[in-house]
Amino acid sequence: GNSVTQMEGPVTLSEEAFLTINCTYTATGYPSLFWYVQYPGEGLQLLLKATKADDKGSNKGFEATYRKETTSFHLEKGSVQVSDSAVYFCALLNQAGTALIFGKGTTLSVSS
Amino acid sequence: EADIYQTPRYLVIGTGKKITLECSQTMGHDKMYWYQQDPGMELHLIHYSYGVNSTEKGDLSSESTVSRIRTEHFPLTLESARPSHTSQYLCASGETGVGQPQHFGDGTRLSIL
Repeated sequence: GNSVTQMEGPVTLSEEAFLTINCTYTATGYPSLFWYVQYPGEGLQLLLKATKADDKGSNKGFEATYRKETTSFHLEKGSVQVSDSAVYFCALLNQAGTALIFGKGTTLSVSS
Repeated sequence: EADIYQTPRYLVIGTGKKITLECSQTMGHDKMYWYQQDPGMELHLIHYSYGVNSTEKGDLSSESTVSRIRTEHFPLTLESARPSHTSQYLCASGETGVGQPQHFGDGTRLSIL
């Protein structure tokens, strides 16, 4: 079946450090891939998405590339800020668009 | 920006009470979802709907029920609340189609005493 595995947190970084949160998936067919972010006390917000192989999603300085050969969708940011502290979820939408599978979430804490 | 609203944001209530968590969206999305989020932040799908008069149970068994009488409204009801129902509940909606993301409300944090 379909599944998403993302690195366990918490991830603790200093401001301006480079961020990578690993995400790998297992799926049949051609899923779409997403990163969501959840700030404290809020719901999930769509951060970026990619719908086919080699697509790069980007938003607010975050990037992720859909790598079919390695079944990965790692989230990166070149210079994190304190305001990026949140929980990040990697998610997969199956090819039929009927099931959204979430990873367990990775907590990022950025200190000044 | 997606417009999906959940009320109340926070609810503290005693055991045995009937509770309805409200969720409304103004985007005309056919698909709507309820998730339960545990303290470790993991999300569990408890109900979903693909349109009016369509409701299905999700991956995680839940004592709650849902209804979908109107496209924009997807309330969740607990007939008799218990402390084990204490959790964060998130509602989401999405369009039909490949690659369409789900859009989330801000959640209801429910505490049963």
